[in-house]
Order: sequence, then structure tokens, then C-alpha cells
Amino acid sequence: GESVGLHLPTLSVQEGDNSIINCAYSNSASDYFIWYKQESGKGPQFIIDIRSNMDKRQGQRVTVLLNKTVKHLSLQIAATQPGDSAVYFCAVSPRPQGGSEKLVFGKGTKLTVNP
Amino acid sequence: SAVISQKPSRDICQRGTSLTIQCQVDSQVTMMFWYRQQPGQSLTLIATANQGSEATYESGFVIDKFPISRPNLTFSTLTVSNMSPEDSSIYLCSATGRGTGELFFGEGSRLTVL
Repeated sequence: GESVGLHLPTLSVQEGDNSIINCAYSNSASDYFIWYKQESGKGPQFIIDIRSNMDKRQGQRVTVLLNKTVKHLSLQIAATQPGDSAVYFCAVSPRPQGGSEKLVFGKGTKLTVNP
Repeated sequence: SAVISQKPSRDICQRGTSLTIQCQVDSQVTMMFWYRQQPGQSLTLIATANQGSEATYESGFVIDKFPISRPNLTFSTLTVSNMSPEDSSIYLCSATGRGTGELFFGEGSRLTVL
């Protein structure tokens, strides 16, 4: 099966700095990867996703990088703002050509942005 | 993106009782799921809610404890039966949108069992 690990449970950055949140997965057949943001008292919010046929995808102030060789996923947030403070989860679909069914979630990184 | 509404948003329950959580999606979705998030922890998939048929449960979760219904495309319920303090968690309804396949979540139902 798939397991999703975490590099750092917490991350503290200064407002305006760039943030990098990391995630590792175990199954080389995993095909679909998603980052979620969860603010206190709310449900997870979709940020960005990437399939295994890509190694980089950019959104608004966010970039996801996928390194299939070492089974590593990262989320980069540019010019981090106080509103980015939340817990960030990576999620992995363990099946080849899988979608959002049966996602395996990592433990989450709590990002704190200091003004 | 789909808007997912859950109720109750929170409840305090007595040991041995059961509680049903309702989930309503505002648009057509393909798949619906129920997740559990224990305090300070990550999300664990309980089951896939199948329209008009029995849900598909993940390892460690059984129908007798977590009966699920999905009578139509946009509505599902999860019952937490015979609750114990170990069932204190946030229960999250989620659904995949048509076309995008993205998985959206409701705000969650926070259950505390005394």
C-alpha cells in the first residue's frame, strides 16, 4: 500500500518570505498528487494538483514540484502572507492513473507566518 | 467548485448513542466519500458512498459501526453508531466534481463523545 510521510510537522516563516513544505510517498506507482490547505475549524481546501507525467506545476503564488526518482513532493508558496497560516496536507492516489478516490493523506505541516 | 454542506457542524454526544451526519452538495458530483480526522491528525478514508447501494468501506471500518446512505447524487448520510469517546473526531464529507475530478470537502462535523 501507499504511505505518505512528512518532513517537518511545523514550519515558521516571516511574512514575505518563500515557504517550502515537503512530503514523501512510498509507492512508485502513485500517479496523482494533491496539496490541501486546512485552516482552523474548516475543511481542507484544494490548492493544486499534479500528475506523474509532470515534474512541476504552477498556480497563483504556489508551485508544486514532483521528483519521482526519490518519491518526493513539495509545495512552494511565494511571498507568504499571514492568510497562508494553516495546516498543509499532501495527498496521494496510490493507483496508476488514479484520481481522487482512495487518497492517502500525509500528516500535515502547520505553517505559521509571522508578521 | 462544489459547495458541500454538512450538519450538524458540531455535537456533544453521550456514550452508547448514535448520531447521523448529513451531507448535501450543491451541484452534480461523481463520487462522494466520508473521512475521519482525529484531533490533530491527518485524514483517514472511512468509505466511498455509492448511490443507491451499499457503501464501500476501507480496512478498519465496518457498516455496523458507520452505516452510510446515498439515496441520490448529491446527498449522503453517515451514522456513527454506539459511540464511545474514541469516536470523538471530525467527520468530513467530500465529493469529486464533474469534469475536474478534484476532491472537495465540507467544513466537517466535530463530534465529542462523553
